[in-house]
Amino acid sequence: QTVVTQEPSFSVSPGGTVTLTCGLSSGSVSTSYYPSWYQQTPGQAPRTLIYSTNTRSSGVPDRFSGSILGNKAALTITGAQADDESNYYCVLYIGSGIWVFGGGTKLTVL
Amino acid sequence: QVQLVESGGGVVQPGRSLRLSCAASGFTFSNYGMHWVRQAPGKGLEWVALISYDGSNKYHSDSVKGRFTISRDNSKNTLYLQMNSLRVEDTAVYYCAKNYYYYDTWGQGTLVTVSS
Repeated sequence: QTVVTQEPSFSVSPGGTVTLTCGLSSGSVSTSYYPSWYQQTPGQAPRTLIYSTNTRSSGVPDRFSGSILGNKAALTITGAQADDESNYYCVLYIGSGIWVFGGGTKLTVL
Repeated sequence: QVQLVESGGGVVQPGRSLRLSCAASGFTFSNYGMHWVRQAPGKGLEWVALISYDGSNKYHSDSVKGRFTISRDNSKNTLYLQMNSLRVEDTAVYYCAKNYYYYDTWGQGTLVTVSS
């Protein structure tokens, strides 16, 4: 069974930079997994941030960026703002029409 | 504008069935793959099912395989999720989401509560 791993929580100072990662329990994440990233605040539907590894969704500020770092997908937030405090989820396409979400990272800005 | 509106949620007893709908507007529905994603109370997102643009290919997570079936009616611009043999652990907000290789638009979700 494929498990997608994310840091359970992360903290960043206002104006700071943070990189959240998305890995696999076994193996390396590559662009072939079509990693994408979503931001969600409690009670709201998810918001699409990044897709296909590093493409920003419409309207997403350029301080959000996606990449592959080592053997993981990564979401970097540069110049963190208070309203970036949210839960962040990645999802990977593992083939044969199957997708797996990571457990999410709760980001605190303080 | 592109919009997805889910409906059909509610309270249902374990073992019973429910059908969710997702009405699409603002785009050519028949050109896009569509997903169902759910979120149990206080938990993370979980992929449930995917259907290709023409309905010819359907995929389901192991947790719902054999119980849930995704389908679509392109003439009605509507996505469905037929949920049979519901379990308490299926309690969640169910979202439909547009596109195949990522989710570019989400609905607001519909709550399904499975409880006796």
